Amino acid sequence: GAVVSQHPSWVICKSGTSVKIECRSLDFQATTMFWYRQFPKQSLMLMATSNEGSKATYEQGVEKDKFLINHASLTLSTLTVTSAHPEDSSFYICSARLAENEQFFGPGTRLTVL
Amino acid sequence: GQNIDQPTEMTATEGAIVQINCTYQTSGFNGLFWYQQHAGEAPTFLSYNVLDGLEEKGRFSSFLSRSKGYSYLLLKELQMKDSASYLCAVLDSNYQLIWGAGTKLIIKP
Repeated sequence: GAVVSQHPSWVICKSGTSVKIECRSLDFQATTMFWYRQFPKQSLMLMATSNEGSKATYEQGVEKDKFLINHASLTLSTLTVTSAHPEDSSFYICSARLAENEQFFGPGTRLTVL
Repeated sequence: GQNIDQPTEMTATEGAIVQINCTYQTSGFNGLFWYQQHAGEAPTFLSYNVLDGLEEKGRFSSFLSRSKGYSYLLLKELQMKDSASYLCAVLDSNYQLIWGAGTKLIIKP
């Protein structure tokens, strides 16, 4: 199957700082990537849909000014958590769409905000 | 609204068979996925069904009935490593994945 990478795998930061997470499709081009958040013992929650060359589409309740998404190329999307707070601590997972019914997940990034 | 239901938790014995059910009500249907997720890891793809019937892949099989809005994942010859959460997800008319809350499967020796 296709490979999606995320960097970093985990990050610890101080409250008020910003953190950037990268999502890369390594062996295919993805016009659409998705960003999910998952709290402990809960299911994936879609945050936003990232389309190459255009603005991301955010789900209801997700602050676009806090979670900045940039999909600058067909293989890279970035999520920046601005002014992070402890409640933003979570497991962030990206996925990249290869075809309508094919979506591949990155390994996830565990964010801990102190 | 869109809704996907699956049991929260199931327990089974090593070597046995377990069936995890998923029922859905979505705006449109373009296929149903099953994913496996171990704690602290991202989901990994198990199966995709878009037509009615049973798809068999080794120890895992997935069944779909579109008229009933129902699917199940069947795991045979259970191994301890199968302890994980199993997520059911439906691709709706906008090709958006709608996720169930997941079923935590506990395998006992």
